[in-house]
Amino acid sequence: GGIITQTPKFLIGQEGQKLTLKCQQNFNHDTMYWYRQDSGKGLRLIYYSITENDLQKGDLSEGYDASREKKSSFSLTVTSAQKNEMAVFLCASSILGAYTEVFFGKGTRLTVV
Amino acid sequence: QQQVRQSPQSLTVWEGETAILNCSYEDSTFDYFPWYWQFPRESPALLIAIRPVSNKKEDGRFTIFFNKREKKLSLHITDSQPGDSATYFCASNTGGLSGKLTFGEGTQVTVIS
Repeated sequence: GGIITQTPKFLIGQEGQKLTLKCQQNFNHDTMYWYRQDSGKGLRLIYYSITENDLQKGDLSEGYDASREKKSSFSLTVTSAQKNEMAVFLCASSILGAYTEVFFGKGTRLTVV
Repeated sequence: QQQVRQSPQSLTVWEGETAILNCSYEDSTFDYFPWYWQFPRESPALLIAIRPVSNKKEDGRFTIFFNKREKKLSLHITDSQPGDSATYFCASNTGGLSGKLTFGEGTQVTVIS
């Protein structure tokens, strides 16, 4: 087994601020993902990284940057926080391939004031 | 554009009844359909998955029925238990190297005893 650790658990930011969310996994998985979960809207893919040196945009990449620092870590930056934004950002990982189980971290809850 | 649609948005059943959750998709290249469940304040976790080579997948009280021609699938929870109360997400993947998933908006299931 393994674990995905996201930091911080809670993040309060101000409008216009640049905010960084971090994720570490010890599954030794090749592929990592960032999803955003809004209440009642399911999960939407922001960025993903198939292998250590790869970075690809998801459906919701506008307003975000991502960086795969090493195989075990993947960070997400909100480039300019939007006022009254509230969402949970979920980091996930899986082995290489399509028909695999994706494991999720416990999330970072973002509130922008 | 919502590529994976779920209905109903919420569902309440009595303990012991069968809950039926529906999912439809638009992209005919999707060829892997996992269902994830999420308990309050927890992260999503894989429940059961199917590939279109089959039209049925069973795991205990949980069964997926798949209709490739109509691009529809459903999750049946038989003998529902209060511990099954959760939000259920239908997801899909087009294959390839990554396990990136497109999620529906979820069905919130409440089982009352």
